[in-house]
Amino acid sequence: EAQVTQNPRYLITVTGKKLTVTCSQNMNHEYMSWYRQDPGLGLRQIYYSMNVEVTDKGDVPEGYKVSRKEKRNFPLILESPSPNQTSLYFCASSSEGGVAFFGQGTRLTVV
Amino acid sequence: GENVEQHPSTLSVQEGDSAVIKCTYSDSASNYFPWYKQELGKRPQLIIDIRSNVGEKKDQRIAVTLNKTAKHFSLHITETQPEDSAVYFCAARRFYGGFKTIFGAGTRLFVKA
Repeated sequence: EAQVTQNPRYLITVTGKKLTVTCSQNMNHEYMSWYRQDPGLGLRQIYYSMNVEVTDKGDVPEGYKVSRKEKRNFPLILESPSPNQTSLYFCASSSEGGVAFFGQGTRLTVV
Repeated sequence: GENVEQHPSTLSVQEGDSAVIKCTYSDSASNYFPWYKQELGKRPQLIIDIRSNVGEKKDQRIAVTLNKTAKHFSLHITETQPEDSAVYFCAARRFYGGFKTIFGAGTRLFVKA
């Protein structure tokens, strides 16, 4: 079954404690990206990757890092999380054709 | 920077009526325009998309129109049903020069039985 898998689904952490949200896809897609979703703001792109070792900033990259060492994985790293990064995060992948498949989402709370 | 404006933010219709959601984009290089439906607590899922070389596309009760000159595209849902109630997002993306995708802020659609 074609899918994008994120982990964890829920995470509560404290300010400053480094965390990683994993994302994996089994569709051999070149493109992967991370979004955050906040009420009234829709989905905002954090980072995206066009292929292995190729990443670029989206609209809201501050405070986040990503890496793309393998085609199937695209982890999101928060080196020093802050409360304003409390949000619902989605990973997505797509082929060059454009249709994006989203992961289940990760609800992050930073206290 | 580039943005996508989506209207209305909330839309309430009676079952069986039509619903129209409109989006305007600013990046003239955008050439792919998907629409996503997000039910409460779930992930966004693609319901229809259109590319810049097409003016209109239809899939059963859902249709999308695109006016590239005006940088405007719209989602039309006919014969609405209660299960159409959800948040709908439009997006604009360019195929070249990157994979940057800009989403609208969303429209919460309520279909009253």
